[in-house]
Amino acid sequence: EAGVAQSPRYKIIEKRQSVAFWCNPISGHATLYWYQQILGQGPKLLIQFQNNGVVDDSQLPKDRFSAERLKGVDSTLKIQPAKLEDSAVYLCASSPGTRGLDTQYFGPGTRLTVL
Amino acid sequence: EDQVTQSPEALRLQEGESSSLNCSYTVSGLRGLFWYRQDPGKGPEFLFTLYSAGEEKEKERLKATLTKKESFLHITAPKPEDSATYLCAVRMDSNYQLIWGAGTKLIIKP
Repeated sequence: EAGVAQSPRYKIIEKRQSVAFWCNPISGHATLYWYQQILGQGPKLLIQFQNNGVVDDSQLPKDRFSAERLKGVDSTLKIQPAKLEDSAVYLCASSPGTRGLDTQYFGPGTRLTVL
Repeated sequence: EDQVTQSPEALRLQEGESSSLNCSYTVSGLRGLFWYRQDPGKGPEFLFTLYSAGEEKEKERLKATLTKKESFLHITAPKPEDSATYLCAVRMDSNYQLIWGAGTKLIIKP
């Protein structure tokens, strides 16, 4: 079974530029998550999708971050414009069900550096 | 405030030297506690889910236990390949989100 795919793996941009990350979850998984992980910290949930709909985006900085899940499968996360404090690893995860206690399977992450 | 605290922040052991990692939580209405392993440059990898106090789960050299206030990840006779950051996360009754700890970085020296 293929795992969660993410691209790019690394990205370096200057502040105020835009950047987009892509995620392809495990086939058939209903729920998709985007996390931000700053060095030395645990992951912080940015947004959770259940099929096409948003379940939780309470910690997403909506003035600069946006996300969409296309046809309930792939997802993109965009930052526009980026700030220095956005430097982090962006993790995508998926889980098969919708009940909230399912195991989450993570991709390798995208390491973003904002200069 | 709902919180998950892991200790120690880092732990260095000799190969074969058993020890335990701690995850303490202050949340209302625990639905489940999760342990993950994270290697450098990779996403977290699922290890265990515990649902109620008194529950234990084992996998190779790892054993996770749960009380009403904390969970322990016991590692028995570790090997260098067990070196990683171990993360715990909890889910509450009232929220879909996982609340994550900052992790314990475990280093096993040969």
